Amino acid sequence: DAGVIQSPRHEVTEMGQEVTLRCKPISGHNSLFWYRQTMMRGLELLIYFNNNVPIDDSGMPEDRFSAKMPNASFSTLKIQPSEPRDSAVYFCASRSRTSGDNEQFFGPGTRLTVL
Amino acid sequence: AQSVTQPDIHITVSEGASLELRCNYSYGATPYLFWYVQSPGQGLQLLLKYFSGDTLVQGIKGFEAEFKRSQSSFNLRKPSVHWSDAAEYFCAVGLDDMRFGAGTRLTVKP
Repeated sequence: DAGVIQSPRHEVTEMGQEVTLRCKPISGHNSLFWYRQTMMRGLELLIYFNNNVPIDDSGMPEDRFSAKMPNASFSTLKIQPSEPRDSAVYFCASRSRTSGDNEQFFGPGTRLTVL
Repeated sequence: AQSVTQPDIHITVSEGASLELRCNYSYGATPYLFWYVQSPGQGLQLLLKYFSGDTLVQGIKGFEAEFKRSQSSFNLRKPSVHWSDAAEYFCAVGLDDMRFGAGTRLTVKP
């Protein structure tokens, strides 16, 4: 298995631009998580999905952030418009709710820089 | 609300020395506890986890952790540290709404 796949790995954009981060979970996993990691705030859970349905988006910082999961193999996190304070590493993770394993598997992350 | 505290921001140990990274948690019920390791520029890799049963859990790379309910702790240990263990270590509690500690950065001296 290729693990959780995230793209792009690095993104540099200018303030005000729209940014879309992508995630492909591990095949068969039915929970997907988006995290943000910064020096100041550490690792924060932004939103998670169970069976493609958003369950808890209380960690999404502002309305500028939105996430979708149109099918079991793909999710996006969009920031529109982006701001310099959105610069961070964004991680996607997935988990199987049915295997009993309970471990979240993390992707390599997308390093976002907003100028 | 669940939370995790890692009191040590940075720890330096000599190669071959023993290691203990501290983790204290706050959780309303029986906690799901994890230790993850993150190398620079990489994602997080699970070292070990505790859900129930034996309070001493073994993980990968020679790591172990002990769950102590009375102290609300889940400290990570390794008897002999290798240079390749230098990384950031995160303790986490919860399942879907997992909360991470701030992390402990481990430096290994030759």
